[in-house]
Amino acid sequence: EAEVAQSPRYKITEKSQAVAFWCDPISGHATLYWYRQILGQGPELLVQFQDESVVDDSQLPKDRFSAERLKGVDSTLKIQPAELGDSAMYLCASSRGGQNNSPLHFGNGTRLTVT
Amino acid sequence: QKEVEQNSGPLSVPEGAIASLNCTYSDRGSQSFFWYRQYSGKSPELIMFIYSNGDKEDGRFTAQLNKASQYVSLLIRDSQPSDSATYLCAVIAGGTSYGKLTFGQGTILTVHP
Repeated sequence: EAEVAQSPRYKITEKSQAVAFWCDPISGHATLYWYRQILGQGPELLVQFQDESVVDDSQLPKDRFSAERLKGVDSTLKIQPAELGDSAMYLCASSRGGQNNSPLHFGNGTRLTVT
Repeated sequence: QKEVEQNSGPLSVPEGAIASLNCTYSDRGSQSFFWYRQYSGKSPELIMFIYSNGDKEDGRFTAQLNKASQYVSLLIRDSQPSDSATYLCAVIAGGTSYGKLTFGQGTILTVHP
């Protein structure tokens, strides 16, 4: 079964440094999501792409976070500068899109620790 | 009011019992409902999805949807210790064309032998 690929699995960085995460969705999935999950909470949507276009980034802290999906396939999420409160699991997911009931498939996530 | 609310638990049931997990949502126009299971340190995995009022069964799992009451539940029959995990309810709101999926905070389930 095809999977969503994410890297790295773990990242430790010092505050004020830059960090980047990469995601490759399941082939043919038009919709790509980046979620952040703080320990003990549910995932929170940061940004959603339909092909190469952003359709929702209302919860993305745009002063420090950026996301791109230039060719409508893989995607990068960047944080600069990182803050202690950014420590969390960053989850990428993809779906077929095109209709509102396509299930999301998640990657293994990137565990970020900011020291 | 949170968009999707779950009892945070923890919920503890003995092996072989029925575990009942509940979720309410605020957007009456919501169309699609999902249950994900998440083991500690892992990413969520899809268990079931339901779109229509009523029950949907898949093996030991049954999802129940009541749109009038804005309520969706997950029943796990013959609970096993391997079912111990956090269960996430997720809802696609009806007001967007792009299907924004919103998660509840999750319910921790422990099945003890």
